[in-house]
Amino acid sequence: GAVVSQHPSRVICKSGTSVKIECRSLDFQATTMFWYRQFPKKSLMLMATSNEGSKATYEQGVEKDKFLINHASLTLSTLTVTSAHPEDSSFYICSAKKTGVETQYFGPGTRLLVL
Amino acid sequence: AQSVTQLGSHVSVSEGALVLLRCNYSSSVPPYLFWYVQYPNQGLQLLLKYTSAATLVKGINGFEAEFKKSETSFHLTKPSAHMSDAAEYFCAVSGRTYGNNRLAFGKGNQVVVIP
Repeated sequence: GAVVSQHPSRVICKSGTSVKIECRSLDFQATTMFWYRQFPKKSLMLMATSNEGSKATYEQGVEKDKFLINHASLTLSTLTVTSAHPEDSSFYICSAKKTGVETQYFGPGTRLLVL
Repeated sequence: AQSVTQLGSHVSVSEGALVLLRCNYSSSVPPYLFWYVQYPNQGLQLLLKYTSAATLVKGINGFEAEFKKSETSFHLTKPSAHMSDAAEYFCAVSGRTYGNNRLAFGKGNQVVVIP
C-alpha cells in the first residue's frame, strides 16, 4: 500500500506557458500533500504543504502566485507552474501523508524542462 | 526547528563490504527519523523509520539504523554491499505534532559500489 503517482513524468514546454503536474495517492486518503523541488545532485527543497480543502502553506522564498497548488480531494493535489521560465526547470516531487501517520510517501517525480 | 547533517556527499564501498552512512540530527523535541533511497530519475523510497519504539530499526534491502539519543545520531548500515545499493541516500527528520510534520532532509550521500 501507500502508492503515490505523478503525471506527467516528463514535460517540455516553451517559456511563458503554464504547466500542471498532478500528484495522486492511489490506495489511501492523503490529508496532507507536500511539494518539493530538487536540483541536480542536490537534496529536496520543500516548496509548500497542501492540506485538503484549505490553502497551501508556502515556504519562505517560494512565490505562491507562480506555483499554484490545489488540493481539491483526498487523493489529488496539483501544482501549476505559471508563466514558466528556464530557471523553473527542475525535478518536482510530491509526497502524501495520511492523518496520524508520520511517514510521507513519495511520488516518482516530474522532470520539467522549460525552453 | 529540526535539521539533519549528513557528511561526505560521495561514499565509495566495495561490493560485500560494510555500508555506513552517518546522520546526526538536531531537534528540540523527540523526533521522527527516516532514511530514504533515491535511484536516478525516480522519487524517494522509504528504507526505514524511527518513531519511538525499538532504537534499532530494521528496514528493507538489509539496511538497519540505530537511534542514539546521547549522540543525536541515526546512522544507516548494511553488513554487505550489493551492486544494487548504488543510489542516493537521504536522512530526514520531522516533528511529532500536527503542524510540525514537515520533513527536513540532509544533503544526501551518493553511494558508489565498487565491484
